[in-house]
Amino acid sequence: TQLLEQSPQFLSIQEGENLTVYCNSSSVFSSLQWYRQEPGEGPVLLVTVVTGGEVKKLKRLTFQFGDARKDSSLHITAAQPGDTGLYLCAEGNQFYFGTGTSLTVIP
Amino acid sequence: DAGITQSPRYKITETGRQVTLMCHQTWSHSYMFWYRQDLGHGLRLIYYSAAADITDKGEVPDGYVVSRSKTENFPLTLESATRSQTSVYFCASSEFTSNEQFFGPGTRLTVL
Repeated sequence: TQLLEQSPQFLSIQEGENLTVYCNSSSVFSSLQWYRQEPGEGPVLLVTVVTGGEVKKLKRLTFQFGDARKDSSLHITAAQPGDTGLYLCAEGNQFYFGTGTSLTVIP
Repeated sequence: DAGITQSPRYKITETGRQVTLMCHQTWSHSYMFWYRQDLGHGLRLIYYSAAADITDKGEVPDGYVVSRSKTENFPLTLESATRSQTSVYFCASSEFTSNEQFFGPGTRLTVL
């Protein structure tokens, strides 16, 4: 049983399109992190969300923490090839990571 | 060099052999972690350490041994490697468990 389910597992889109990826759980978390991992490298932290309903923006990336603190979403506006990578969510203590969404942005 | 390093980057071994993966960090972070990454499973925690001489099991500890005699080093040993331990292994460190984790570049291990 996976504590954190991410969807979709794979996503391939054209440059300029918008997309949303999801991180869902039946558990309540004190906080949740989003990481991006590029091929051959370790994950790098993008953001930490703490408060239910919180929205954080990082340039073209918008992160939202669900009101009940059980789920989160990542929305990318006008995707670029540099956004290509594996997006991982992790629960607050980072003992558990989601399965990841592999994003490919085609030029 | 500052940061977190792992060695070796690539390792091929045979079933039954002992293998040790090394992890070194220069930040003096209290916490260090070992994860394995497999397709369809994301990152799974093997062991973590809150300080020197303090280690604890994660989600998938069976078949692995860790030690932490110094704050900056956290080696992971596979005492008798099995094919199911073929994976990419990542080491990470952080100030606290809820803080940003800094990951090493990974070690790709193949057990034949």
